[in-house]
Amino acid sequence: QQQVKQSPQSLIVQKGGIPIINCAYENTAFDYFPWYQQFPGKGPALLIAIRPDVSEKKEGRFTISFNKSAKQFSLHIMDSQPGDSATYFCAASMLRRGATNKLIFGTGTLLAVQP
Amino acid sequence: GAGVSQSPRYKVAKRGQDVALRCDPISGHVSLFWYQQALGQGPEFLTYFQNEAQLDKSGLPSDRFFAERPEGSVSTLKIQRTQQEDSAVYLCASSEISRAGGLDEQFFGPGTRLTVL
Repeated sequence: QQQVKQSPQSLIVQKGGIPIINCAYENTAFDYFPWYQQFPGKGPALLIAIRPDVSEKKEGRFTISFNKSAKQFSLHIMDSQPGDSATYFCAASMLRRGATNKLIFGTGTLLAVQP
Repeated sequence: GAGVSQSPRYKVAKRGQDVALRCDPISGHVSLFWYQQALGQGPEFLTYFQNEAQLDKSGLPSDRFFAERPEGSVSTLKIQRTQQEDSAVYLCASSEISRAGGLDEQFFGPGTRLTVL
């Protein structure tokens, strides 16, 4: 059972464009929603994360929008650059004492930013 | 400082062979996770250690998979009698132990790509 659904599978934008990647989750117990960036041959690296008590979080060119009632969250990349070309994963976890804090990942979005 | 390291980076095994994958977490990190990433998919949780204690092994796909962290630092994931469906990238991640409700970033290693022929 896929607990975190991610779309689109792939995305091509021009330099300067604003790619948007969407995720939806099922388990309302999730309370931590990170986005990871992965380059070929590398492990995922944390990009930005949000808790459900806020609807938006910005860090540099990256913004997470969160809709708790719809159980959806999205990543926006402002002024995208060719160096942003990578695979992006959304994830969800439960942060509570005694929990594993394991990450449940989406299936990934391959982003290509054309110069 | 040094990040999470994994070895070997690549491993080719014949079906039926046993393999051992090593993870060196960031020094001082209490939590250690193993994930399996199939080609074109997101990582999937395998098992979790807090120091030397294996607190969650709910993601291990079969009893052929075994993980240990005997001294609370280096961890080894062992796969016995490998099958073709075991072919994947095996990722290790570590994090500091967090207080209840705290955000605890997981730092990932580069992974070991296992190919079973």
